Amino acid sequence: DIQMTQSPSSLSASVGDRVSLTCRASQSISSYLSWYQRKPGKAPKLLIHDASSLQSGVPSRFSGSGSGTDFTLTISSLQPEDFATYYCQQSFSPPWTFGQGTRVEIK
Amino acid sequence: QVQLVQSGAEVKKPGSSVKVSCKASGGSFSSYDINWVRQAPGQGLEWLGSIIPMFGTTNYAQRFQGRVTINADESTSTAYMELSSLRSEDTAIYYCARLSRHLGGSFDMWGQGTEVIVSS
Repeated sequence: DIQMTQSPSSLSASVGDRVSLTCRASQSISSYLSWYQRKPGKAPKLLIHDASSLQSGVPSRFSGSGSGTDFTLTISSLQPEDFATYYCQQSFSPPWTFGQGTRVEIK
Repeated sequence: QVQLVQSGAEVKKPGSSVKVSCKASGGSFSSYDINWVRQAPGQGLEWLGSIIPMFGTTNYAQRFQGRVTINADESTSTAYMELSSLRSEDTAIYYCARLSRHLGGSFDMWGQGTEVIVSS
């Protein structure tokens, strides 16, 4: 199975900050990487697919980059509604696996 | 607007089974790739398996092989996930989600989640 490792596990930031979250795959997954946002009591929401493609309806302050084994999700200017947990997921080969998540908290 | 609507919360005894449903409204259910993902308290997201109703093909995570069964009823646009031999570690929120091939294999639509509590 492909292991996905996210860092940091949590971070504290202020509204307006630029934050970057990292996801590393245990082997190359090309660009088969998605990012999700999850808020308490809600289902995950797709933000980014194919490593860098913004899902329809997602604000442009979210962006993704990377390929191979190293990926980054960047929020250019953190908004109050962005405080949540973010997960990466590989779709290169089954079983589909997720990272353990990065919790973004208010400083 | 396509939606996935799941059945309600369940409380089960250890050793028993649970069956969760996921009904699709709108869109072409038969061609969907419906997946099941769970999140236990304090844990990450974990994929259990999937089904493409049109072909009846299923795919299961190896660690759940023999304990999970996924099927679908095209006439009612409903997918089902049954997990047997329940133990306390199976306490989790279970989601159905649509995998989109044209979005690189991402899960672009999710059900609202079904809480399953396993307790004696």
